[in-house]
Amino acid sequence: AQSVTQPDIHITVSEGASLELRCNYSYGATPYLFWYVQSPGQGLQLLLKYLSGDTLVQGIKGFEAEFKRSQSSFNLRKPSVHWSDAAEYFCAVDPIKAAGNKLTFGGGTRVLVKP
Amino acid sequence: DAGVTQSPTHLIKTRGQQVTLRCSPKSGHDTVSWYQQALGQGPQFIFQYYEEEERQRGNFPDRFSGHQFPNYSSELNVNALLLGDSALYLCASSLEGGPEDIQYFGAGTRLSVL
Repeated sequence: AQSVTQPDIHITVSEGASLELRCNYSYGATPYLFWYVQSPGQGLQLLLKYLSGDTLVQGIKGFEAEFKRSQSSFNLRKPSVHWSDAAEYFCAVDPIKAAGNKLTFGGGTRVLVKP
Repeated sequence: DAGVTQSPTHLIKTRGQQVTLRCSPKSGHDTVSWYQQALGQGPQFIFQYYEEEERQRGNFPDRFSGHQFPNYSSELNVNALLLGDSALYLCASSLEGGPEDIQYFGAGTRLSVL
């Protein structure tokens, strides 16, 4: 079945440490891939997207993600986490690859940052 | 430049009642999508409106209906509310054929059904 999986429900990381959030998808062809962040009481903010081309994508707030076709993965990374990065992170896909097409989201990973 | 705005912010209803949620898209956008986010889960696509018509629909019953107005704003209506309809309802807007190919989300309306 077509799906998006975020294996880690919660991740706790110390401030200044690196962070990696996992995302795996199960689709016949490579979909468009997105990472969104949701802070408490806020909507979803787009961090970065992969449509095609370079498999290492740079985003806002110092985040990057790497698309690996062989592993059907699109993992999100940040070299040094700040306390303000505490939030919930969602991986999303658009398998139709059309602008504004409906997104299918993973279940999310909640990131806690220790001082 | 206003982003996506949703109203109200919070809403409390009773089982069996009907509710209307509202969304104004980002300036220049013409497509509105609605998502339901249950507690502890990722958002799920409800439907999308473009040119005042429902263009795509997710796996939601027809108790969920919507409308898009000529100014591109949109409403989500839910009839015969169930306890399970309690969730954060997110609106997203985009521009058909636009260069960005991303959806901008509002802060959502939190609906509690008692």
